[in-house]
Amino acid sequence: QKEVEQNSGPLSVPEGAIASLNCTYSDRGSQSFFWYRQYSGKSPELIMFIYSNGDKEDGRFTAQLNKASQYVSLLIRDSQPSDSATYLCAVRAGNQFYFGTGTSLTVIP
Amino acid sequence: NAGVTQTPKFRILKIGQSMTLQCTQDMNHNYMYWYRQDPGMGLKLIYYSVGAGITDKGEVPNGYNVSRSTTEDFPLRLELAAPSQTSVYFCASSLQSPEAFFGQGTRLTVV
Repeated sequence: QKEVEQNSGPLSVPEGAIASLNCTYSDRGSQSFFWYRQYSGKSPELIMFIYSNGDKEDGRFTAQLNKASQYVSLLIRDSQPSDSATYLCAVRAGNQFYFGTGTSLTVIP
Repeated sequence: NAGVTQTPKFRILKIGQSMTLQCTQDMNHNYMYWYRQDPGMGLKLIYYSVGAGITDKGEVPNGYNVSRSTTEDFPLRLELAAPSQTSVYFCASSLQSPEAFFGQGTRLTVV
């Protein structure tokens, strides 16, 4: 059983703050790692993916990967109310994606 | 370019009925997936396909069947619907690239 664990939250941050979302995974053979955002009642949409250890930045978003610790995180800088959503961590192993249960984020104006 | 299209968007089934959830993509993606998402839960993989004529089971395949006769279409069949199959179903597709593109979902209620 390949597991992806996330703190379900809810996580609340004030507008302009940094939101930090965390994820751990069980399969050391996992090849690539993803963060999806899902608004209530909508389908998931990809925010970022990362393959290699270290940080990857895209605008206000930074993904961090530590394969030795089997840990992935997402930092959202200058959080906006529009960032309020559930964030799903996903791991690709072989041909399959495995998703965590998601962390609910609320950005308070 | 419509992306991934799922039909229907909503459906109510009676226990024991059958139905097919349709999924089609126009991006020429070889990989296609069916997930279910229960309230407060993550996405669970039901079935996936790596190309036309090839399908494989995911984490929760019981009670479902799929076929992949073309690159574009990947229907999901529910036989003898049960209340435990009440869920939101998402179809997704991808190339070898990492990103999976999701359809808008089908909200199914079995009563």
